[in-house]
Amino acid sequence: KAGVTQTPRYLIKTRGQQVTLSCSPISGHRSVSWYQQTPGQGLQFLFEYFSETQRNKGNFPGRFSGRQFSNSRSEMNVSTLELGDSALYLCASSLGRGGNSPLHFGNGTRLTVT
Amino acid sequence: AQKVTQAQTEISVVEKEDVTLDCVYETRDTTYYLFWYKQPPSGELVFLIRRNSFDEQNEISGRYSWNFQKSTSSFNFTITASQVVDSAVYFCALRGPGGSTLGRLYFGRGTQLTVWP
Repeated sequence: KAGVTQTPRYLIKTRGQQVTLSCSPISGHRSVSWYQQTPGQGLQFLFEYFSETQRNKGNFPGRFSGRQFSNSRSEMNVSTLELGDSALYLCASSLGRGGNSPLHFGNGTRLTVT
Repeated sequence: AQKVTQAQTEISVVEKEDVTLDCVYETRDTTYYLFWYKQPPSGELVFLIRRNSFDEQNEISGRYSWNFQKSTSSFNFTITASQVVDSAVYFCALRGPGGSTLGRLYFGRGTQLTVWP
């Protein structure tokens, strides 16, 4: 079974630009979550989508948004990029039902904002 | 509020030594789930083990074992006979009871484990 796939692996953007990251979950998984990882703040939850609906949202500004498609693939968008948005963005998928179902993570997209 | 604390920032051991990674958590939920993940330099978080709050039986899986104690809110993880390939950052994580909390993990700050040959 293929794992979680994130594209692209690396991105370099300029302040003020916007960026879209993509995530393909494991086949059969209906939940997709996004996390931001930085040296200063560690791993922080952005949001989770289940069956195309946002089910939970972390404490991030409205510049961070996402969506999920009918095939469970998900995209995350960051508008008006700031230097502090430089981070590793990790996507995770799970069955979405039952607490024992672990999250399976992709390799991440490393975003650098200059 | 949910919180996970990993007091050990870095640990260094020599190959074949046993090593225990500590994790203390805080939650008001009576049902919750605990996880350990490993992050090698490639960046991917790799799921290792899980435990739910109503099962305190400790288990061994290969070289991995874990000690879950609700009385002290601890979920420690032990690697037996460590190997160089075990070198990575290890994260302990906490998840709520279900529904809208299922996709949200609260992570500790991680413990960098270095295993020397």
